[in-house]
Amino acid sequence: NAGVTQTPKFQVLKTGQSMTLQCAQDMNHNSMYWYRQDPGMGLRLIYYSASEGTTDKGEVPNGYNVSRLNKREFSLRLESAAPSQTSVYFCASSSIRLAGNEQYFGPGTRLTVT
Amino acid sequence: RKEVEQDPGPFNVPEGATVAFNCTYSNSASQSFFWYRQDCRKEPKLLMSVYSSGNEDGRFTAQLNRASQYISLLIRDSKLSDSATYLCAVNSNYGGSQGNLIFGKGTKLSVKP
Repeated sequence: NAGVTQTPKFQVLKTGQSMTLQCAQDMNHNSMYWYRQDPGMGLRLIYYSASEGTTDKGEVPNGYNVSRLNKREFSLRLESAAPSQTSVYFCASSSIRLAGNEQYFGPGTRLTVT
Repeated sequence: RKEVEQDPGPFNVPEGATVAFNCTYSNSASQSFFWYRQDCRKEPKLLMSVYSSGNEDGRFTAQLNRASQYISLLIRDSKLSDSATYLCAVNSNYGGSQGNLIFGKGTKLSVKP
């Protein structure tokens, strides 16, 4: 099992460019998430998909769109990148266990917008 | 009061020391609690879930105090390899069947020889 995979690992964009971050999981999890992590800010939820066919906004959705393509894949799109979107982006998926909503993270995408 | 708060540290301890981290949460209805470990420039990895009765995994012990609304992580006999940032996570009221997780900003631990 690869777990949660993300592509690309690194990306540099110019202001105004667009791109899509890809995420896939092979753990048959229903829920998937996109976070951004900035120094001093911790992990902040951008969007989530509780199940295939649904997506919802998280804490910081402005400037982003998502698509839950199927149960395995959840992509994050930046339509017009801004320097404020320079960050590390993590995708996660979760299953409901005895302890609750355990989340497992992908390796991240480091995005720089110049 | 912020939803989930942690002392950012850093905690600098010698090898073999015992170190404890606390994490306070504001939502008294929270039911799920976790500790994650994050190495520099890596993704967070689930370290352990926190059960109501407390739980132990080797040198690591997690406790939940519902009355005071905090969870704790105790690391005994610290190793150099324990150096990392430790994030706590608590479920919220929104999202999915058990709520999304709210993460603390993390506590940095540095274990020195």
